[in-house]
Amino acid sequence: DQQVKQNSPSLSVQEGRISILNCDYTNSMFDYFLWYKKYPAEGPTFLISISSIKDKNEDGRFTVFLNKSAKHLSLHIVPSQPGDSAVYFCAASVETSGSRLTFGEGTQLTVNP
Amino acid sequence: NAGVTQTPKFRVLKTGQSMTLLCAQDMNHEYMYWYRQDPGMGLRLIHYSVGEGTTAKGEVPDGYNVSRLKKQNFLLGLESAAPSQTSVYFCASSDPRGGANTGELFFGEGSRLTVL
Repeated sequence: DQQVKQNSPSLSVQEGRISILNCDYTNSMFDYFLWYKKYPAEGPTFLISISSIKDKNEDGRFTVFLNKSAKHLSLHIVPSQPGDSAVYFCAASVETSGSRLTFGEGTQLTVNP
Repeated sequence: NAGVTQTPKFRVLKTGQSMTLLCAQDMNHEYMYWYRQDPGMGLRLIHYSVGEGTTAKGEVPDGYNVSRLKKQNFLLGLESAAPSQTSVYFCASSDPRGGANTGELFFGEGSRLTVL
């Protein structure tokens, strides 16, 4: 049972435009959500997070939106840059679980110059 | 800044062979984790540890064992490798002592294991 799902395996956008990556979850106990970025042959690196008490968190070009009623979160990248091309993983945790994260399948983002 | 270091980076095994993956972190983190990444399945938690001398099962623990004898090291063992264990393995660490549990994990570069 996939508790965190990223339904789009890939996304292609033009440089300068907005990239929107989506993620859905089923476990209502999740109260902390994160996005990780992964380049080939490297480990994932933390990008941005949001607590369930918020509906938006922004860090530079990256904004994460959380819709608890829909059990949906999204990552917006504006403007997109070629260096943003990577696999993006959505992850969720229960804050008392010792940082045990449940990951989605990942979305390959390609930003074309 | 070494961070989280995994050895070996690549390994090919025959079915039934055993091996150990070593993870070392120099950030004095309490928590450590082993994940595996498979195409179309994201990262799945194998085992984790919340401190020296402790280990616990994650989502997919069967066929693996772990040990955390020293705070900085977390070992993942395969006693009898199977082709289904062909995967990329990632070790991670985190430190919950800095306040609220942010869930931010620091990952190693990964170890690619092929079982023939």
